[in-house]
Amino acid sequence: EIVLTQSPATLSLSPGERATLSCRASQSVSSYLAWYQQKPGQAPRLLIYDASNRATGIPARFSGSGSGTDFTLTISSLEPEDFAVYYCQQRSNWLLITFGQGTRLEIK
Amino acid sequence: QVQLVQSGAEVKKPGASVKVSCKASGYTFTSYGISWVRQAPGQGLEWMGWISAYNGNTNYAQKLQGRVTMTTDTSTSTAYMELRSLRSDDTAVYYCARDRLITGPLSDFDYWGQGTLVTVSS
Repeated sequence: EIVLTQSPATLSLSPGERATLSCRASQSVSSYLAWYQQKPGQAPRLLIYDASNRATGIPARFSGSGSGTDFTLTISSLEPEDFAVYYCQQRSNWLLITFGQGTRLEIK
Repeated sequence: QVQLVQSGAEVKKPGASVKVSCKASGYTFTSYGISWVRQAPGQGLEWMGWISAYNGNTNYAQKLQGRVTMTTDTSTSTAYMELRSLRSDDTAVYYCARDRLITGPLSDFDYWGQGTLVTVSS
């Protein structure tokens, strides 16, 4: 099983600041990593796929980078609606797709 | 527009079974696989398995092997997930999610259902 470890668990920032979220894989997942945003009571929303590609309709302030085992989601300038929980997900292992445990982005 | 609409909340006793449906619209159902993902209260996301809507091939998470069955009905563009021998730790919101890629089973998910709360309690 490929374990994804997200850090930090909680990130406290203010609107307008830059957010940097990390996801580390226990073994290489190449570029097969996605990022999701989840707000309370809602289903997850795909933000980034294949490490660095924005999904349809996702604002340009969201960007992803990395390959192998280390990945980053960056939100360049936080908007009020960006405060949510963020998950990474790998699709490298055909036996088991796994998610990270999540990073909660909260308003400081 | 693509939509996945799931069945309503369920309350089940330990040992019972539950079957959740996921009706798709707005795209060619048989062109994309469907995964099921669950989320226990206050917890993260857990992938349960995948089914090809094209030919019914499945890939289940090992920890659920023997307890879960995923099926599709192409005549109604509906996917189903049945979980048997329910335990209290199966209490969760269950989501269906469409593969972003046509070539399953390894994909991320671009459309999600609204979720179905399944509560297991005596």
